Amino acid sequence: DGGITQSPKYLFRKEGQNVTLSCEQNLNHDAMYWYRQDPGQGLRLIYYSQIVNDFQKGDIAEGYSVSREKKESFPLTVTSAQKNPTAFYLCASSIGGGVESYGYTFGSGTRLTVV
Amino acid sequence: DQQVKQNSPSLSVQEGRISILNCDYTNSMFDYFLWYKKYPAEGPTFLISISSIKDKNEDGRFTVFLNKSAKHLSLHIVPSQPGDSAVYFCAASAGYGGATNKLIFGTGTLLAVQP
Repeated sequence: DGGITQSPKYLFRKEGQNVTLSCEQNLNHDAMYWYRQDPGQGLRLIYYSQIVNDFQKGDIAEGYSVSREKKESFPLTVTSAQKNPTAFYLCASSIGGGVESYGYTFGSGTRLTVV
Repeated sequence: DQQVKQNSPSLSVQEGRISILNCDYTNSMFDYFLWYKKYPAEGPTFLISISSIKDKNEDGRFTVFLNKSAKHLSLHIVPSQPGDSAVYFCAASAGYGGATNKLIFGTGTLLAVQP
């Protein structure tokens, strides 16, 4: 079954620590995205990648970093520079080169809590 | 600056009645629009989409209407069912069929369908 897998589902981080959220897809999609969901603010784009070894900042990239070494994988690192990292993080992928009929396929999300 | 706005954070409807969810956008370059449904602690799932060359698209109980002059779209659910209770996100993209398909999401509307 094709899809996107995010792990872990829940993650706790101490202040000052970096943490990496995993996102893997087996849909053969070219493009991958990271969004953050906060109450009352919808989904905000952190980073996106349209092709391997290339990625662009979204609207709220400060304090985050990504890599795209493989087509299937797009990990997100939340660094200690991110001032308010507690949120629900969503990874998505799309065919690329246009939204087609179905837009993005989303993973099930990772809830990050700073303790 | 919020380019996609869902001004109603919540909506309550009786089972069997019509649910109407609204979305406004400001960017005249948007030419493809999607609705996603999201349950708590899960990723959004695609519901229905519409391109700017149409003013209506229907899929079963779900119909999306687009009014380009008003920069407004709406999602109609008829009849509403308790399983429709979820957060609904409106999303928009510029450059349909082009090199980029970055989606901009609204803040979401929580729909509660009362039995």
